[in-house]
Amino acid sequence: NAGVTQTPKFRVLKTGQSMTLLCAQDMNHEYMYWYRQDPGMGLRLIHYSVGEGTTAKGEVPDGYNVSRLKKQNFLLGLESAAPSQTSVYFCASTPRQGGQFFGPGTRLTVL
Amino acid sequence: AQKVTQAQTEISVVEKEDVTLDCVYETRDTTYYLFWYKQPPSGELVFLIRRNSFDEQNEISGRYSWNFQKSTSSFNFTITASQVVDSAVYFCALSVERTGANNLFFGTGTRLTVIP
Repeated sequence: NAGVTQTPKFRVLKTGQSMTLLCAQDMNHEYMYWYRQDPGMGLRLIHYSVGEGTTAKGEVPDGYNVSRLKKQNFLLGLESAAPSQTSVYFCASTPRQGGQFFGPGTRLTVL
Repeated sequence: AQKVTQAQTEISVVEKEDVTLDCVYETRDTTYYLFWYKQPPSGELVFLIRRNSFDEQNEISGRYSWNFQKSTSSFNFTITASQVVDSAVYFCALSVERTGANNLFFGTGTRLTVIP
């Protein structure tokens, strides 16, 4: 099992550009999440999904969109990147009984 | 609302000393789960422990131990005989069953530096 993987690992964007972060898990987990980690603030939930075809907003959803077309994939989109979105993004997945498994993270810089 | 407080921003200890990382949580739910994660300099998040709200037994795993006290809403983490490899940021987190989503509420983390 590869666990939770994230693509890409690093990315630099210019303000206004768009991009999609891909999260994939091969553990057949129902739930998937996107968090962002900023210095001194811990991890904060952006969006999450409790099943294929369903998504919901977390604590800091503005400026992001997500899609869960397949159970194993959870995409995070930035339509028009802003410097405030410079962060490290973590994807996680969990089975119904709990216990989150995290991906390695994506370091995004918006200039 | 759920909240996790890690009041210690940074701690430095000399190798072989014991160190305790504090975690205080807030929730009105009676069924919840508490976690500790380690984030080494390489950046990944390493799962350490998960406890449910009905199990207040202390747990020991090698040099690691956890003290869960519902009376003080605390879930403290102790490393015995610290080693340089323990240097990392440690996060305490909380999830509540009521939301049905198992998402985690994180504290702001404690950076532990173990000096050789």
